[in-house]
Amino acid sequence: AQSVAQPEDQVNVAEGNPLTVKCTYSVSGNPYLFWYVQYPNRGLQFLLKYITGDNLVKGSYGFEAEFNKSQTSFHLKKPSALVSDSALYFCAVRQNTNAGKSTFGDGTTLTVKP
Amino acid sequence: NAGVTQTPKFQVLKTGQSMTLQCAQDMNHNSMYWYRQDPGMGLRLIYYSASEGTTDKGEVPNGYNVSRLNKREFSLRLESAAPSQTSVYFCASSESSGGGDEQFFGPGTRLTVL
Repeated sequence: AQSVAQPEDQVNVAEGNPLTVKCTYSVSGNPYLFWYVQYPNRGLQFLLKYITGDNLVKGSYGFEAEFNKSQTSFHLKKPSALVSDSALYFCAVRQNTNAGKSTFGDGTTLTVKP
Repeated sequence: NAGVTQTPKFQVLKTGQSMTLQCAQDMNHNSMYWYRQDPGMGLRLIYYSASEGTTDKGEVPNGYNVSRLNKREFSLRLESAAPSQTSVYFCASSESSGGGDEQFFGPGTRLTVL
């Protein structure tokens, strides 16, 4: 079985401050981990992924995430938030032997205030 | 390059009516997916197709059927719509279902069942 938790429904940060959106996961094997972003009335867009290798993954729009196997976490980070980063963020996990079946978190709404 | 397209964008049905949601991708991807998104519940997988000619159930398949018409197209059918199927439906595609490939999402279909 696999699952993912995004413990915060909402994250509020000021523009220019660093942001973190949290994600923890549970899988019985090795995980593939993904972050997606959804703007209002749009489909999800891929931000970054961890498959194997370097634990720090860099993605689109200046976002990065760190894979921490011991804490089973994959938190999304950005050093300096922009108002345009305001959106709904989803973490997803798939066990590497569970073809086709990704599990998504419930989403975290990020609001960046000017 | 349109990516993933979905039709219609909006639909209102009465209980018991049937309809088919259409999805097409022009990225030559092998795998395609149907999800539903409900408030506070993230995305839940309805069905997926790992490759042309195959389909498999996801987390919430009851009340739905799918057809992988060809490599480009993957349709979702509601035979007898119920109010519980009111949701936003997303189609997605990926290069494969077994590797660490990210998914590309369509813009969604907002369905209301009265």
